[in-house]
Amino acid sequence: NAGVTQTPKFQVLKTGQSMTLQCAQDMNHNSMYWYRQDPGMGLRLIYYSASEGTTDKGEVPNGYNVSRLNKREFSLRLESAAPSQTSVYFCASSDRQGTLNLKLFFGSGTQLSVL
Amino acid sequence: LAKTTQPISMDSYEGQEVNITCSHNNIATNDYITWYQQFPSQGPRFIIQGYKTKVTNEVASLFIPADRKSSTLSLPRVSLSDTAVYYCLVGGFKAAGNKLTFGGGTRVLVKP
Repeated sequence: NAGVTQTPKFQVLKTGQSMTLQCAQDMNHNSMYWYRQDPGMGLRLIYYSASEGTTDKGEVPNGYNVSRLNKREFSLRLESAAPSQTSVYFCASSDRQGTLNLKLFFGSGTQLSVL
Repeated sequence: LAKTTQPISMDSYEGQEVNITCSHNNIATNDYITWYQQFPSQGPRFIIQGYKTKVTNEVASLFIPADRKSSTLSLPRVSLSDTAVYYCLVGGFKAAGNKLTFGGGTRVLVKP
């Protein structure tokens, strides 16, 4: 069982370039999330999707866009990368049924450097 | 969602019990308390979740007093491999929009 899969694992961009981070989950979860984690810091929520077809802003949405392509996939796009977006990006999913709403399953992360 | 406060770091030794307390004074009636563990270069991993009193699993115990304004994660007999960052997360089963946010976490260092 793969769980949450993120691609790519590493990426280097130049300022102003664009790219899309991909995330897919195979657990049939309703909710999906994108977090960023700067060195030595906690996780900050960028965007989330409570269910297929819906997306909402988190704490730090500026500079990002998301697409919930279907129930499995939730992508994060940087339209014009900036050095401040250098970070590790984590995708997560959760199921809203019962007490599992807070049981997040995380991918292994994408380390992004913007030069 | 309820804001959480945890110690920034804690040191311990192998074989000792580690207790990490999280304060969440504004916890709401529907909120659950969940703890995650994160190793370097990995995503956080679910450890334990509870609503009130005590919850125990094969990894840890979670103690929640009656007023639920704090909770304590207890790691029994830690080993070097328990060195990690531990996050307390408070939110509801029906959290508004599932906007689940993490605090700064507690960095636990287990020494030989």
